[in-house]
Amino acid sequence: DIVMTQAPISLSVTPGQSASISCKSSQSLLHSDGKAYLYWYLQRPGQSPQLLIYQVSSRFSGVPDRFNGSGSGTDFTLKISRVEAEDVGVFYCMQGLHFPWTFGQGTKVEIK
Amino acid sequence: QVQLVQSGAEVKKPGASVKVSCKASGYSFTGYYIQWVRQAPGQRPEWMGWINPKSGGTIYAQKFQGRATMTRDTAISTVYLELRELNSDDTAVYYCARDLLSYWGQGTLVTVSS
Repeated sequence: DIVMTQAPISLSVTPGQSASISCKSSQSLLHSDGKAYLYWYLQRPGQSPQLLIYQVSSRFSGVPDRFNGSGSGTDFTLKISRVEAEDVGVFYCMQGLHFPWTFGQGTKVEIK
Repeated sequence: QVQLVQSGAEVKKPGASVKVSCKASGYSFTGYYIQWVRQAPGQRPEWMGWINPKSGGTIYAQKFQGRATMTRDTAISTVYLELRELNSDDTAVYYCARDLLSYWGQGTLVTVSS
């Protein structure tokens, strides 16, 4: 199975500041169609995960432009600009190219 | 709006089976795959497989092959996940989610305990 590794495991951020989360995959997530199947989700406390970013850098409907994804191959990053109180939760990356789809271990974000 | 509404929490004994339902609304039921993902307490989500509601075709993670069955009833826009031979490691919240996990159900807690 593809191993997804996130860093850091936890983050404490001052509102209005930026935060970055790294996600590395054990194999390339680049498909022959030219797309990379890397996704980012946020799971707020007590809630279901919600999709933020698909195919590395495309924001899902309704996701604020404070969330930006980048990367290629095996190295990916989620950057959150101007962190807000509602961004508290656990962020997961997930690869959707190789079966079984696999998730990173999560990055817990708290607000200072 | 897209909604996935799941059945309620279950408590099962080891060796038993559980069947979780997921009712879709707000979109064309046969137009999008439904995935099943579970999350044990304090753990990362774990992808279990998917079902194509149009054809009924399924793909399972190897870990669940032979123990999980995904089915659908197009007349009522509902998909089902059945998991057999439950053990304590199966205690988790089970989620259904549409296509690229873009919309999620509220989750169903399955507790396996003697």
